[in-house]
Amino acid sequence: AQKVTQAQTEISVVEKEDVTLDCVYETRDTTYYLFWYKQPPSGELVFLIRRNSFDEQNEISGRYSWNFQKSTSSFNFTITASQVVDSAVYFCALSAENTGFQKLVFGTGTRLLVSP
Amino acid sequence: SQTIHQWPATLVQPVGSPLSLECTVEGTSNPNLYWYRQAAGRGLQLLFYSVGIGQISSEVPQNLSASRPQDRQFILSSKKLLLSDSGFYLCAWRTPTGTGNTIYFGEGSWLTVV
Repeated sequence: AQKVTQAQTEISVVEKEDVTLDCVYETRDTTYYLFWYKQPPSGELVFLIRRNSFDEQNEISGRYSWNFQKSTSSFNFTITASQVVDSAVYFCALSAENTGFQKLVFGTGTRLLVSP
Repeated sequence: SQTIHQWPATLVQPVGSPLSLECTVEGTSNPNLYWYRQAAGRGLQLLFYSVGIGQISSEVPQNLSASRPQDRQFILSSKKLLLSDSGFYLCAWRTPTGTGNTIYFGEGSWLTVV
């Protein structure tokens, strides 16, 4: 079975601070994918990034960066110079080979509050 | 480009009433389709998925059902709603080819059962 843990329930920062959202996953599969989604107050889940289990390269996209470490089963997400528009709930998720990649297992989410 | 729409966006239904949420995807053929639910204070839970017309897989036994009458249409139904059915329902899709393809979500439907 797969499991995704986001231990941080809520994080509050002041604008321009850097913030890291933690994600730890569990799976016995060797082939799996990891995702981050953003859920703004409107509710829609917005896709941010996908990584497969064979690609541990970190990725940077503007103010967003992701650190994937298989040794610690972590896929952390950092926002640099946070902005008020970053306020949302962020979900980490995993899909694995044993479910035919049909099932996304989500963490419980981390609510990020960025104040001006 | 592909788009996904679901409706209604919000609804308030009495206990015991029926439910029908509809979702359509445009710009792609034979997508894999999904229904997720996000209950208050809880994470996202996969309810149903479909890999083709008339093919429905249920993840969680409950009083909900799903149907796929057309290639790009996915419907979530209930004959009699329970209070515990309240939540945020999200339809999602992905391309059928390849593995681990990104799943994209619709705008969601807020259901309150009273």
